[in-house]
Formats: sequence, C-alpha cells, structure tokens
Amino acid sequence: GENVEQHPSTLSVQEGDSAVIKCTYSDSASNYFPWYKQELGKRPQLIIDIRSNVGEKKDQRIAVTLNKTAKHFSLHITETQPEDSAVYFCAASQASGSARQLTFGSGTQLTVLP
Amino acid sequence: KAGVTQTPRYLIKTRGQQVTLSCSPISGHRSVSWYQQTPGQGLQFLFEYFSETQRNKGNFPGRFSGRQFSNSRSEMNVSTLELGDSALYLCASSGGRGYEQYFGPGTRLTVT
Repeated sequence: GENVEQHPSTLSVQEGDSAVIKCTYSDSASNYFPWYKQELGKRPQLIIDIRSNVGEKKDQRIAVTLNKTAKHFSLHITETQPEDSAVYFCAASQASGSARQLTFGSGTQLTVLP
Repeated sequence: KAGVTQTPRYLIKTRGQQVTLSCSPISGHRSVSWYQQTPGQGLQFLFEYFSETQRNKGNFPGRFSGRQFSNSRSEMNVSTLELGDSALYLCASSGGRGYEQYFGPGTRLTVT
C-alpha cells in the first residue's frame, strides 16, 4: 500500500517568513495530493490540492509543487502570519472512479512567531 | 451548503462495550469515508462507502464496521471496545467527480 512520509515534524518561523513542508510518497500510481490544515480542536480543513498532471498550483500565499519522478511534493506558505499556526498534513490518493482513500503523512506542527 | 456533521461529538465508553457513530455528508455528496486520528498513529483510513456499498477498507480489525443509508448518511460501529480505540473519529464526504474530501468535526471517543 501507499506510504507517505512528511518532514519536518515541527517548524517555527518568524512572522513574514516563508515555510516549506515536504512529503514523499511510495506508490507511483498515486495521482491526487491534498494538503490539510488542522487547528487545535478543529477538523482538518482542505487548503490546497494538486493532481499529477500539474507541476505547481498557487492560491494566494499558498503553493504546492509536485515532482512525480522523485515522488515528492511540497507545501509553500509565503508571508506567514500567526493565524497560519496549526498542524499541516499532506496526503496521497489514487484518484480513480472508485477510490477516495487518503493516506496521510504524520503532520507538521507549524508555529509562526510574532 | 451545510458542512459535514457528526454525532455525538463526545463519547465515554467502557472496555467491552460497543459504540455507534453517525455522519451526515454535505448535501449531494454520495461518498463517505471514515478515519481514525490518534497522537501515535496519526490519521488512518478505516473505510469508504458510496451508494450504500463499501468501496474500500483500511487495515483495521473486523470489530470496526460501517454502513451507509439511502440518504448517504453513514454510521460506523465499533464492537468490544478496547482502550486503544480511544481516538478522534472523523468522517469526510466527497461528491461528484471531485476527489476533494471535506471533514466533519469528529467524534471524540474515550474508552475507560
């Protein structure tokens, strides 16, 4: 089955700096890669996703890049703000007609220091 | 549209008992997936239902089961509870051709 590794497990940045979280996956058949943000006591919230036919996707201060050959993908947050502090999870899935199974990374606790 | 809802939000059960959790997906979504979240194991996939049929199952013992009703609402059941079943149980719904999954607030289960 799929295995997703996520690094780092904790990340502290100064407000206004950039943050980068990296994930690698094992199954070359995976073709859908979402990122979730989970604040303490809250549900995971989908913040951005990318499919394997795209190398990069941006949404305001958030971007995701995908390298299918190396089987890794990364989340980039620019101009970080204190409200970006949360746990971020990457995930991988074989997005076919019948599959909605996500395999998650272990999470990254991001702390943005004011 | 209203989001994914789960009931109850909190449960305390004793070892050996069984429990049933409920999930109502976003209106129009026909796929419901269940995940277990623990500090040690992270987020792990339990199973997915679509049109009342289980499509995928994760690596959990048979004590974990689920079902889906014709209105897409889903329930999961855990029988013979063990201490290690203490976790946040999350359901997520997905609709149409999209692969995005939207999570509910979860049910916090504590087994004593």
